[in-house]
Amino acid sequence: EVQLVESGGGLVKPGGSLRLSCVASGFTFSDYSMNWVRQAPGKGLEWVSSITSSSTYTYYADSVKGRFTVSRDNAKNSLYLQMNSLRVEDTAIYYCASLLTAAGPFEYWGQGTLVTVSS
Amino acid sequence: DIQVTQSPSPLSASIGDRVTITCRASQSISTYLNWYQQKPGEGPKLLIYGASSLQGGVPSRFSGSGSGTDFTLTISSLQPDDSATYYCQQSYGKPYTFGQGTMLEI
Repeated sequence: EVQLVESGGGLVKPGGSLRLSCVASGFTFSDYSMNWVRQAPGKGLEWVSSITSSSTYTYYADSVKGRFTVSRDNAKNSLYLQMNSLRVEDTAIYYCASLLTAAGPFEYWGQGTLVTVSS
Repeated sequence: DIQVTQSPSPLSASIGDRVTITCRASQSISTYLNWYQQKPGEGPKLLIYGASSLQGGVPSRFSGSGSGTDFTLTISSLQPDDSATYYCQQSYGKPYTFGQGTMLEI
């Protein structure tokens, strides 16, 4: 059974930092590009970041560029998102999602972890 | 960036109805259009990829069509379990973008 399990969310003050993790099982993690997608409370989905299977390339939405860093450890089947200089508008549920090919769909999704940025 | 616009929202329908949700892209994206279903408290679930290919395990009452800029998701005979929010997403280029979602009420 495919599973993606996110963790690391919580309450943080504006300007603070947080590191999210996503552990994968049930599929060949190293074959897939991995992504972070977020959803603000009561809102739609927003792609945040992508990292290729061997970590060769990383991509970011303009809204997080320069503040967030995506990384992965294929030996641990794990994906990470280091979030710095957090803003109130970063408050959202953060999902990790797998992507087999660059133009393909997000095939597998986790259940999400909630990040709340508030003073 | 490629904008993706969905309609209608919300949508109210009855059991057994045929339901259609549309998605329009701001430029041609060939068939690089995917559909997801999201229920409260859950992550999205892939339904349709490449505009018309049914993801494994998804009931055959779901179908997708379209190419270029105009796409549709059709549910042929609405079931109670189909109550959810539906999103389209373009995978033609980064940044990947989603429609604003269609909340389907039964």
